[in-house]
Amino acid sequence: DTGVSQDPRHKITKRGQNVTFRCDPISEHNRLYWYRQTLGQGPEFLTYFQNEAQLEKSRLLSDRFSAERPKGSFSTLEIQRTEQGDSAMYLCASSATTYEQYFGPGTRLTVT
Amino acid sequence: GQNIDQPTEMTATEGAIVQINCTYQTSGFNGLFWYQQHAGEAPTFLSYNVLDGLEEKGRFSSFLSRSKGYSYLLLKELQMKDSASYLCAVRDGSSNTGKLIFGQGTTLQVKP
Repeated sequence: DTGVSQDPRHKITKRGQNVTFRCDPISEHNRLYWYRQTLGQGPEFLTYFQNEAQLEKSRLLSDRFSAERPKGSFSTLEIQRTEQGDSAMYLCASSATTYEQYFGPGTRLTVT
Repeated sequence: GQNIDQPTEMTATEGAIVQINCTYQTSGFNGLFWYQQHAGEAPTFLSYNVLDGLEEKGRFSSFLSRSKGYSYLLLKELQMKDSASYLCAVRDGSSNTGKLIFGQGTTLQVKP
């Protein structure tokens, strides 16, 4: 069990550029979550996958955001036309049940 | 609506006991979690309560009262490494995704 991994750990981009983050969950975890965390706040739910199906999206996830989980393994989160307000830590978590969620180290996005 | 409240900051002395409170008002409830998060790192699971009462786990204990919408995390024999943010999170019972709704976190500073 190597834990949840995320790549990259840090990303600096200019406003208007597109960025893509990757999350590799713990193997055999069929549930995968994306959260966003800004400084001094707790994580906020963005979206949920059960296997390859995206079953819930938060209203925070504007049409500039898209997430996928092909084949029910790794997941990607893409942000198009980034804005300064997108600067945050993007956390991925996985679980085998609705019980404990295991979080990855996060991708810190800075939009300049 | 969803609302989870916890103090923003607390300070305590090494070796002492500290209690971090959390109150919640959510449209559905399916368990309460406490996570620890060191600066720049992923949240790590500390405890889970779904029934009223106290759950003890080494130096950490967590209490839940569902009728009062109240929980606390008790940390005993504080160590310097306990300086971190402590996140209270409710598992949303209005959907079956298991998504977590987090409070803003309590930053605990342990002083010598």
